[in-house]
Amino acid sequence: TQLLEQSPQFLSIQEGENLTVYCNSSSVFSSLQWYRQEPGEGPVLLVTVVTGGEVKKLKRLTFQFGDARKDSSLHITAAQPGDTGLYLCAGFHMDSNYQLIWGAGTKLIIKP
Amino acid sequence: DTAVSQTPKYLVTQMGNDKSIKCEQNLGHDTMYWYKQDSKKFLKIMFSYNNKELIINETVPNRFSPKSPDKAHLNLHINSLELGDSAVYFCASSLGASSPLIYGYTFGSGTRLTVV
Repeated sequence: TQLLEQSPQFLSIQEGENLTVYCNSSSVFSSLQWYRQEPGEGPVLLVTVVTGGEVKKLKRLTFQFGDARKDSSLHITAAQPGDTGLYLCAGFHMDSNYQLIWGAGTKLIIKP
Repeated sequence: DTAVSQTPKYLVTQMGNDKSIKCEQNLGHDTMYWYKQDSKKFLKIMFSYNNKELIINETVPNRFSPKSPDKAHLNLHINSLELGDSAVYFCASSLGASSPLIYGYTFGSGTRLTVV
């Protein structure tokens, strides 16, 4: 059973458009992280959110943790080709003994 | 300069062979991991070592054996390779066993293993 569901699985949009990807669960998480993985590379941590309702911004990327700490979203404004990659969410579940539980990712392609 | 480096980058081998993947980190982290990423990009933890001591050993066939000679190195040896072992294997490190909760992991660039 996959605890973290990411949607959409795949998204292809034009440069300059806005987009939102989601990470949902029925379980409560102590913290939730977003990583970006480019082809041939390992995931790179973008952000960690800890508090319910928390919003963090990283340039054109806005991350939000749901009030109940069961879900998160990533919004990209004015997407650029450099944003292309696999976006993975991962969370620490209450009973996960410090192991991250991973979603399957959203593959994002930004066309010039 | 590379924080977490693993070798080789690509590994193509025949069924039944034994192979090793090496990992080194120069971040001074105490904890290191092996992850497997399948064709659907799903990441699954295999092992974790904290200061050379095994702390996580997920349900992985006995053919997989990790070894940590010191806290900066974590190698993965695989015996009797099978077709289903084909995947990308990532080494990762973290400050400590509980630090990923806030600080996450630092990953290597992966080893693509293809068993033919």
